[in-house]
Amino acid sequence: EPEVTQTPSHQVTQMGQEVILRCVPISNHLYFYWYRQILGQKVEFLVSFYNNEISEKSEIFDDQFSVERPDGSNFTLKIRSTKLEDSAMYFCASSVGQGSGNTIYFGEGSWLTVV
Amino acid sequence: ELKVEQNPLFLSMQEGKNYTIYCNYSTTSDRLYWYRQDPGKSLESLFVLLSNGAVKQEGRLMASLDTKARLSTLHITAAVHDLSATYFCALGAGAQKLVFGQGTRLTINP
Repeated sequence: EPEVTQTPSHQVTQMGQEVILRCVPISNHLYFYWYRQILGQKVEFLVSFYNNEISEKSEIFDDQFSVERPDGSNFTLKIRSTKLEDSAMYFCASSVGQGSGNTIYFGEGSWLTVV
Repeated sequence: ELKVEQNPLFLSMQEGKNYTIYCNYSTTSDRLYWYRQDPGKSLESLFVLLSNGAVKQEGRLMASLDTKARLSTLHITAAVHDLSATYFCALGAGAQKLVFGQGTRLTINP
């Protein structure tokens, strides 16, 4: 069964460093997302991406964050200058379409620890 | 502000018993999802519910949706140990975004 794949599975970084999290969405999907889950808390929406541009973003997704689809398969989340509070599990997700009836498939996550 | 509230947040039950997880939400939506998450793992899609009265079943899990009450339920029948996980409901908010509940951590004891 096709799946969303993410790398790295775990990254430890120093505060202030840049981090890039990588994702390969399911191949025929057109909508891509990033969510995060701080340890023990609920899953939170960060951003959605369609047709090579951001279509929606949350208030968490400030100027420190950016997303890119550098080629036909990868979808990346960059955090420019990491803060301690950025420590979380970051999930990439994708779907064929949007709205009603479309299942959103999640990757296994990238666990980011900022020290 | 859109709110999605699950209860209970923690549930410990014995194998063979039945129980229900509740998901209340504060505003109308055209879709509600249930996901399962094993520790340190991804979110596995279980059900997508689209309309009032929708009921879906897979094995020992059954999900239903009451849009008038703004309530979805996930019912577990004759629980077995391998259903132990955290279960999330998530509401479609707009075309693309999901708003998740807090999750219900389910532990099934032999």
